[in-house]
Amino acid sequence: QVQLVESGGGVVQPGRSLRLSCAASGFTFSNYAMHWVRQAPGKGLEWVAIISDDGGNRYSADSVRGRFTVSRDNSKNTLFLQTNSLRPEDTAVYYCVKAAPRWEPKVDTFDIWGQGTMVTVSS
Amino acid sequence: DIQMTQSPSTLSASVGDRVTITCRASQSVNTWLAWYQQKPGKAPKLVIYKASSLENGVPSRFSGSGSGTEFTLTISSLQPDDFATYYCQQYKNYPYTFGQGTKLEIK
Repeated sequence: QVQLVESGGGVVQPGRSLRLSCAASGFTFSNYAMHWVRQAPGKGLEWVAIISDDGGNRYSADSVRGRFTVSRDNSKNTLFLQTNSLRPEDTAVYYCVKAAPRWEPKVDTFDIWGQGTMVTVSS
Repeated sequence: DIQMTQSPSTLSASVGDRVTITCRASQSVNTWLAWYQQKPGKAPKLVIYKASSLENGVPSRFSGSGSGTEFTLTISSLQPDDFATYYCQQYKNYPYTFGQGTKLEIK
């Protein structure tokens, strides 16, 4: 079945880095844009970044631009989020999310979510 | 950025009630509006897309309406499984933005 499994979260000091990964299965990964969405403890959802199906286009939220980089390896069906210069306000569960494709009526919605990986930034 | 505002923030209701959650956008998003349901400790799940289209597998007691800047999510007869937090999201422009959420509680 369609599945997204995140990994790489943990506890890290402010200013340090983490690389989050998301392993995709059950669908043709290279055909779909992918997103990262985060949720701080007890708070709402915040969109973080998108990468196009071929990796050629990327866009990120102002709050992370210049610090976080989204990438993908279609040969390994894996999505990444490199998080640098981490701040306490980056503490959140990070979700990997598949975008519904342009040939479906629900185009551009977030139709499949991973279970999330927790990132805690604390000294 | 397009700001999304939901009301109420919390809604207390009983099984069998009809409930409506409102979402307002700071500028028109046409019908590029989705609703997600999230239960504690779980990832969100798509419920409604294109303002009024029901995602596959979602019960027909859920419905969405609206266009432009005002939208509603209605649950016609609440079931125990429906108690959760609901988020609206605009996907007209980047950055895609979510409402702050509406927690639907058992009265």
